[in-house]
Amino acid sequence: QVQLVESGGGVVQPGGSLRLSCAASGFTFSGYGMHWVRQAPGKGLEWVAFIRYDGSSKYYADSVKGRFTISRDNSKNTVYLQMNSLRPEDTAVCFCAKEGLAHRALSEYMDVWGKGTTVTVSS
Amino acid sequence: DIQMTQSPSTLSASVGDRVTIICRASQSISSWLAWYQQKPGKAPKLLIYKASSLESGVPSRFSGSGSGTEFTLTISSLQPDDFATYYCQQYNSYLLTFGGGTKVEVK
Repeated sequence: QVQLVESGGGVVQPGGSLRLSCAASGFTFSGYGMHWVRQAPGKGLEWVAFIRYDGSSKYYADSVKGRFTISRDNSKNTVYLQMNSLRPEDTAVCFCAKEGLAHRALSEYMDVWGKGTTVTVSS
Repeated sequence: DIQMTQSPSTLSASVGDRVTIICRASQSISSWLAWYQQKPGKAPKLLIYKASSLESGVPSRFSGSGSGTEFTLTISSLQPDDFATYYCQQYNSYLLTFGGGTKVEVK
């Protein structure tokens, strides 16, 4: 079945870096855009980043632009989120999610989600 | 960015009730709206896309309507499994935004 499994979360000091990974299975990964969405403790959902199915376009929320980088390796069925210059307000559960429709040029909606990985930024 | 506002933020209801959640966009988003359900400690689940299209496997008691700036999610007869938080999300802009969420709790 379709599955997304995130990894790479942990505790990091302010100003530090983390790289999250999301391993996909059960669908043709190279045909779908992928998203990262996060949720701070007790808060709502915040979309973070999107990468087009072929990696040719990437979009970011203003809150992370210039600090986070999304990338993908279609040969490994994996999407990544490189998180630099981390701040305490980046503390959140980070979900990766699959775009709902294949071969879409732009970000739309998410039909499959991973269980999430926790990022804690604290000194 | 397009702002999404949900109301109410909390809704108290009983099993069997008809429940309606409202989502408003700060500008017209046509029908580019999705709804998700999230339970504590779990990932969100897609319910509705393109404002009114039911995702495969989602019970028919869930329905969505609206266009432009005002949208509704309706649960026709609330079931025990439906107590959760619901989020709307616009995709008229490639910079996606979610509403703040509506928690449906036991009355």
